[in-house]
Formats: sequence, structure tokens, C-alpha cells
Amino acid sequence: GQNIDQPTEMTATEGAIVQINCTYQTSGFNGLFWYQQHAGEAPTFLSYNVLDGLEEKGRFSSFLSRSKGYSYLLLKELQMKDSASYLCAVRRYSSASKIIFGSGTRLSIRP
Amino acid sequence: GAGVSQSPSNKVTEKGKDVELRCDPISGHTALYWYRQRLGQGLEFLIYFQGNSAPDKSGLPSDRFSAERTGESVSTLTIQRTQQEDSAVYLCASSSEPGQGSGELFFGEGSRLTVL
Repeated sequence: GQNIDQPTEMTATEGAIVQINCTYQTSGFNGLFWYQQHAGEAPTFLSYNVLDGLEEKGRFSSFLSRSKGYSYLLLKELQMKDSASYLCAVRRYSSASKIIFGSGTRLSIRP
Repeated sequence: GAGVSQSPSNKVTEKGKDVELRCDPISGHTALYWYRQRLGQGLEFLIYFQGNSAPDKSGLPSDRFSAERTGESVSTLTIQRTQQEDSAVYLCASSSEPGQGSGELFFGEGSRLTVL
């Protein structure tokens, strides 16, 4: 089976940096995704990591350590519009490569 | 259309009735997923279709739930004898085959189901 853990809620200040952690336990790991979901909207893709290391994309970066079963999403220069839920998801390598989501981290940005 | 299309966007039904939710994936996407999201919760995996392979139904919560997909096109999720606990947003997503890029998921806007 799969176990994906991330904090339920976080709060940060506009202009600051926040790191959202995700730990997972799965057999046949084949990639980790981060999605952003604003209230009442569908999730949208942020990043994908399949190899160890840091992937940077503008204000957002995502890190993966496969040996530790650990990832984080780093958000810099926070803006009020970054208030949303951030979902960590893992894909398994098998004949059916389904993608399973964690429960999500609700991030609130204060002025 | 260019994106994943779901219908209906909203459905209110009475307990005990059957409902059918439809998903039209992005053309050419071989993989299709259904997820359930209760209010304030994460995405709960329901079922996964990949090409012509047998679907992975391991997330369906009970035998009242079933889903079909015609080839690599439209999918329908059917909930029989609905219960109040079935109230949620049902999200459909599609992706290209893993190995063709990241295979990221593209989500529809969801079908919000309310069972009275």
C-alpha cells in the first residue's frame, strides 16, 4: 500500500518563504507530484520529481530524496494568492501506475 | 474541447436514487482517474483506467459504485442507491502515458453531488 503524510495546516507571512513537507512510504516509487488547489477549484499541476534533487520553477521549488521517502515544496516571496491547499501525490511503478494523493496542506498567508 | 470536461457540474438527488457522472478526457490521453473529495478533505482515489488494460478498481468504496470507459474516451461513474455519505465533489483527471513526460494529471472542474 501507500502512506503519504503532510501537515494539515500552515500559516506564513506575505513576502516570506514557506516549506511544506511530504513523507511517503510506497513500493515501486515512480515519481512525486505537487498540486495546488484553491478553494472550490480543481487541482492544478505545480511540479514533478522522479530523481533526487531540487527542481526550480520561478517562485516554487520542489525537492526529492528517494532514499528518505521525503519531498518538500518551497514557496518564496509569498503572495496572498498563494493561500490554497497543496497536495502531494505519489505514482507507483507497476502494471497499473496509479497516482495517490496525500490529504493536503492548507496554507494561509497573512499580510 | 482542450481540457477535461465533466458533467453535470452540480447534482442534487434524493437518498436511494441512482446517479451517473460523466467525464470526457483530453483527446489522446490514455489514462483516466476518478477521485472523490469530501468537504475540506484530500483526494480519495476511486478508480484508474489505462488504455485497454483492466481498470484498477481498488479504491471503489462499495459495490454501489461502478465505472466504465469506452476505449480511450468518455468515462461514466455510476453510484447506485445513493447515501448521504456519498455527498462530495467527484473529480476526473486524465494524463498521457507515463514515460511520455511527467504524465501529470489534468483535472476537470468536478461534479458536486449532494444527496438529501
